[in-house]
Amino acid sequence: AQTVTQSQPEMSVQEAETVTLSCTYDTSENNYYLFWYKQPPSRQMILVIRQEAYKQQNATENRFSVNFQKAAKSFSLKISDSQLGDTAMYFCAFMNPGNQFYFGTGTSLTVIP
Amino acid sequence: SQTIHQWPATLVQPVGSPLSLECTVEGTSNPNLYWYRQAAGRGLQLLFYSVGIGQISSEVPQNLSASRPQDRQFILSSKKLLLSDSGFYLCAWSAADNPNAGELFFGEGSRLTVL
Repeated sequence: AQTVTQSQPEMSVQEAETVTLSCTYDTSENNYYLFWYKQPPSRQMILVIRQEAYKQQNATENRFSVNFQKAAKSFSLKISDSQLGDTAMYFCAFMNPGNQFYFGTGTSLTVIP
Repeated sequence: SQTIHQWPATLVQPVGSPLSLECTVEGTSNPNLYWYRQAAGRGLQLLFYSVGIGQISSEVPQNLSASRPQDRQFILSSKKLLLSDSGFYLCAWSAADNPNAGELFFGEGSRLTVL
């Protein structure tokens, strides 16, 4: 099984500031997908952003962007202009060609007003 | 549109009792189906994965089993629960007919407490 590592169990950021969450993964696959999911206190998992490994361009979704470094197997999430509603647990995830998804242990992000 | 339902939402069971969590998907056919367990500090652990009726892959040998009796129904079971089975269980699906979509859709989750 592939492994996904999130080395920051907890992070905080001031409202309107920028924060970066780290993620590394280990795989021998060449074609795969990477994701960031958000789990707010309601516990409903929500997709934040997706990156195809064959695309060199970093994915962006409004205030969310990624820094995908394929050779380094690194996939960090940058949240710009942080909002109170961004407070949640964030999970990095990897999908292999067999459609199996593997998740990291999560980073708990708190946005401070 | 596609929806996923998971129940029960909350369950308190004694050690040694059986377990059945059910998940159904609507609005799609032949989905890939998944069971995850979320424990504090351990993220989401993939338990079972299914690509079709009767086809179950187990990621972690344990006290649990899964079945897929119908195309859009996925059941997580145990004959005798252990204290370590406590946790938050999530059912999820992804589109099998468009693998490049890659998105995983989650149910609301089931909180299991084994006493």
